[in-house]
Amino acid sequence: GQQLNQSPQSMFIQEGEDVSMNCTSSSIFNTWLWYKQDPGEGPVLLIALYKAGELTSNGRLTAQFGITRKDSFLNISASIPSDVGIYFCAGRYDFGNEKLTFGTGTRLTIIP
Amino acid sequence: KAGVTQTPRYLIKTRGQQVTLSCSPISGHRSVSWYQQTPGQGLQFLFEYFSETQRNKGNFPGRFSGRQFSNSRSEMNVSTLELGDSALYLCASSQSLGRGNYGYTFGSGTRLTVV
Repeated sequence: GQQLNQSPQSMFIQEGEDVSMNCTSSSIFNTWLWYKQDPGEGPVLLIALYKAGELTSNGRLTAQFGITRKDSFLNISASIPSDVGIYFCAGRYDFGNEKLTFGTGTRLTIIP
Repeated sequence: KAGVTQTPRYLIKTRGQQVTLSCSPISGHRSVSWYQQTPGQGLQFLFEYFSETQRNKGNFPGRFSGRQFSNSRSEMNVSTLELGDSALYLCASSQSLGRGNYGYTFGSGTRLTVV
């Protein structure tokens, strides 16, 4: 099945560092979503982006909807231990079409 | 407001058996989507139901089916289970309002193990 290219695949950082990850697609999307998933749980929505060029923040998280509509970026500033987990991007093509195409995930680990 | 509820949380089945998973969406959400998550393939879309009708379908064999009831609760069924069907099955509900804020919320999933 289709998956979006997400990078990096994994990150090992120290507490307090900033984190950046991105997602690219060969096709355009009209909505980009960023999720975080903890072990044994379902993904939790972090940020939703609805317009090309849009920059949206949620606390220490900032995400951008790429101008080409084929990419998106997520930044986490001043990481804390609870940021550990797997982050997924997801694209939705059409309003009223609830099918999401997910990225391959970025596993974030914080080194003590 | 209660979240998306999936039951059961864990299931162990034998090859060749069938299984039914249940999803209760957030109250007021009319769209329910199902996803399969495996280490190899990641999160893959199975199908979406809206107002009791299947509106979208992913690339899964006919052994995977679903339905939605008038109260928006949904079930998915997998017949003739194969070892490769072992996965975390996730359900998500949403308010299909078009542009603007909408809730696309996942449940905690059902972990299916086929032995």
